[in-house]
Amino acid sequence: KNQVEQSPQSLIILEGKNCTLQCNYTVSPFSNLRWYKQDTGRGPVSLTIMTFSENTKSNGRYTATLDADTKQSSLHITASQLSDSASYICVVSGIKGSGGYSTLTFGKGTMLLVSP
Amino acid sequence: GEEVAQTPKHLVRGEGQKAKLYCAPIKGHSYVFWYQQVLKNEFKFLISFQNENVFDETGMPKERFSAKCLPNSPCSLEIQATKLEDSAVYFCASSQLISAGVGSNQPQHFGDGTRLSIL
Repeated sequence: KNQVEQSPQSLIILEGKNCTLQCNYTVSPFSNLRWYKQDTGRGPVSLTIMTFSENTKSNGRYTATLDADTKQSSLHITASQLSDSASYICVVSGIKGSGGYSTLTFGKGTMLLVSP
Repeated sequence: GEEVAQTPKHLVRGEGQKAKLYCAPIKGHSYVFWYQQVLKNEFKFLISFQNENVFDETGMPKERFSAKCLPNSPCSLEIQATKLEDSAVYFCASSQLISAGVGSNQPQHFGDGTRLSIL
């Protein structure tokens, strides 16, 4: 069964500090891995998408890494800001069927609180 | 438009009533997806459309849930005879058509959801 596990479930850090969120998955065949940010009361917003051949991808202060061999990804947030307080969701895309249709498996998210 | 627009933001229904949710995908996006998020937990896939055609409905509870995407109209998700357990936030997402692998390297753009409360 395709699964995405995220850790920690929640995290509190001081403003200005860095943090790293983890994602382990068992989705196969693998297509790509996405990190989304979901603010309270809003829909998820895409931060990064990485395919099998990509090891790292940055989007401003967000840097995602992918190890497709160990099926692990991380999201590193640098110099955190209050506005980074949100749920961060790891979503893994697998391939279904002969037509290459992509299906998404969602993690439960890591709730990050950045404290002043 | 440039954003996925979902209406209403909040919907309250008595148990047993009907609920209908709407979604206008981003202009030019051919794929529409519906998800259910219960108590801020993981997203449960319900159904996807390629234009007005159902693409994958493996997540849909067949008895009471139905969905449509008709030309020149917002997509809709309808729940008949609602139950308490249908209380959730329902998200719609859209993505562009690409040639290889449906939406495989394109992000799904999400709306802000409709919060459905069944009393």
